[in-house]
Amino acid sequence: AQSVTQLDSHVSVSEGTPVLLRCNYSSSYSPSLFWYVQHPNKGLQLLLKYTSAATLVKGINGFEAEFKKSETSFHLTKPSAHMSDAAEYFCVVSVSYKLSFGAGTTVTVRA
Amino acid sequence: NAGVTQTPKFQVLKTGQSMTLQCAQDMNHNSMYWYRQDPGMGLRLIYYSASEGTTDKGEVPNGYNVSRLNKREFSLRLESAAPSQTSVYFCASSERYRRDEQFFGPGTRLTVL
Repeated sequence: AQSVTQLDSHVSVSEGTPVLLRCNYSSSYSPSLFWYVQHPNKGLQLLLKYTSAATLVKGINGFEAEFKKSETSFHLTKPSAHMSDAAEYFCVVSVSYKLSFGAGTTVTVRA
Repeated sequence: NAGVTQTPKFQVLKTGQSMTLQCAQDMNHNSMYWYRQDPGMGLRLIYYSASEGTTDKGEVPNGYNVSRLNKREFSLRLESAAPSQTSVYFCASSERYRRDEQFFGPGTRLTVL
């Protein structure tokens, strides 16, 4: 069985400061890991994915995530938040056909 | 390319009514999926179709049926809607059913009274 836990349901940052969204997973097999972003009333958009290549993965819009097998973590970071980063973010683990979604982290960005 | 499209965008039903949510993709993907999204629960898989001609149950299939009409289209049917099915429904597709990213439609917001 696999599962994913997003450790923060809500993160608030000031514009221009770093963003950290934390994700831990459990899986009996070597997983693929994804981060998706969902802006209000929109569908989900892929930010980045890890599929057993480089452990540091760069995504769109300046986001990156590091896969740490020893810690079973896949945290998402961005050095400098922008107002347009306000959205909900989902960490997703995939083994075989099945995606398991975290509950989501809502990011608000203060001017 | 339109990507993944869904119709309708919004729907209100009364308990016991039936309806079909439509989904189409123009990316020549083999696999398609239906999810529901409820506050604080992320997305949960209802049904999926790994390839044309096959469908399988996901995590929460009760009260739903699906049809993979062809490679492009994958519909979700509620035979007798219940208030517990009030949710936002997302269709997604991927090139293969293993490890590939999924592309999502814009969603259908369904309310059952």
